[in-house]
Amino acid sequence: QQQVKQSPQSLIVQKGGISIINCAYENTAFDYFPWYQQFPGKGPALLIAIRPDVSEKKEGRFTISFNKSAKQFSLHIMDSQPGDSATYFCAASWVMAGGTSYGKLTFGQGTILTVHP
Amino acid sequence: SAVISQKPSRDICQRGTSLTIQCQVDSQVTMMFWYRQQPGQSLTLIATANQGSEATYESGFVIDKFPISRPNLTFSTLTVSNMSPEDSSIYLCSVEGGAKETEAFFGQGTRLTVV
Repeated sequence: QQQVKQSPQSLIVQKGGISIINCAYENTAFDYFPWYQQFPGKGPALLIAIRPDVSEKKEGRFTISFNKSAKQFSLHIMDSQPGDSATYFCAASWVMAGGTSYGKLTFGQGTILTVHP
Repeated sequence: SAVISQKPSRDICQRGTSLTIQCQVDSQVTMMFWYRQQPGQSLTLIATANQGSEATYESGFVIDKFPISRPNLTFSTLTVSNMSPEDSSIYLCSVEGGAKETEAFFGQGTRLTVV
């Protein structure tokens, strides 16, 4: 029930193309869904996040689409660039009992994105 | 945004020994989190560390194997005890903070290899 399933494991796109990564969750208590980008040798960095009260959120070239009824969410990277080549993780969390922290993240398995020039 | 420094950045250790990883944050934070990232895998939460109380461990992780200290609001340590090759992983410290509510910041990680 705590799992977040992510696909695909790896993705190759051409420069300028659209990269799409999908995630599905089971625990309906999750109410915070961030996406992280990780470069080799670095810790994950937050890209964009969404709450279930909206169906889409856009920040620059990055868009999250959220389908609450299907318990699915996805990351779209428009105009993909070679510099976007990294590992992407979706995650999910909820406010811990009696608190305000969303820090306990359940991560998906990760997607290795390669953008060819 | 919070800046997290982890030490060491990497280490190679003999099996049966212990390694203590330090996590220093440039601002006071209530909660700190320790994650493990096994080679080529995702991140798994080990425990949550609050200042002034014992750490809360996730299923599959125990205090005897991964003792955690949280002496103040800017510092924490994670010890990997009695190491075996299966403990070879990247260990990451995480805190919340920054202008965006709920944003979780990660350190660069400690890459541990047990031989």
